[in-house]
Amino acid sequence: GDSVTQMEGPVTLSEEAFLTINCTYTATGYPSLFWYVQYPGEGLQLLLKATKADDKGSNKGFEATYRKETTSFHLEKGSVQVSDSAVYFCALSGVNTGTASKLTFGTGTRLQVTL
Amino acid sequence: GAVVSQHPSRVICKSGTSVKIECRSLDFQATTMFWYRQFPKQSLMLMATSNEGSKATYEQGVEKDKFLINHASLTLSTLTVTSAHPEDSSFYICSAPDPRVGTGELFFGEGSRLTVL
Repeated sequence: GDSVTQMEGPVTLSEEAFLTINCTYTATGYPSLFWYVQYPGEGLQLLLKATKADDKGSNKGFEATYRKETTSFHLEKGSVQVSDSAVYFCALSGVNTGTASKLTFGTGTRLQVTL
Repeated sequence: GAVVSQHPSRVICKSGTSVKIECRSLDFQATTMFWYRQFPKQSLMLMATSNEGSKATYEQGVEKDKFLINHASLTLSTLTVTSAHPEDSSFYICSAPDPRVGTGELFFGEGSRLTVL
């Protein structure tokens, strides 16, 4: 079945440091890939997405490129801020068959950014 | 983007009582909603898929009689934790796909934190 593997956290960085959170997946067909962010005490928000190979999703300075050859969707940001402290989830959605597809989530990576 | 709202955001109840959590899609119709449970170490567990007009589909290991799900309309799904016990204390999150968005993306509610005393 489908699965998502993300790097374990917590990740602690100083403000303005470069961020990479690794995510690899296993899926049949051509899934859509997502990064969701969860701020303390809140639900999940979509951060960015990519629906086909070589697509780059980007939002709020974060980027991730859908790499089919390496089955990866690593999240990057050039300069993190304290406000980026949150839990980040990588997820995939199976082939759209016309019915709602479940998302398969990674275990989440907690990011803590300090001054 | 599509908006999903949950209520209540926090609830405290006594052991043995039942608690109902509502999940509403505010600006779109959702024939399907998903209920997740989030454990202290942040991992998300899909509990069940709520289907409008039919029975919910539960994931393996989730007790149907403990976690009652009702999808009464195209904008409302409810999760009732029956005879709650302290081990049911958790963060429950609902989500739904917006049919206007065809990429499989889910829109999440704010979550409901249940504490059972």
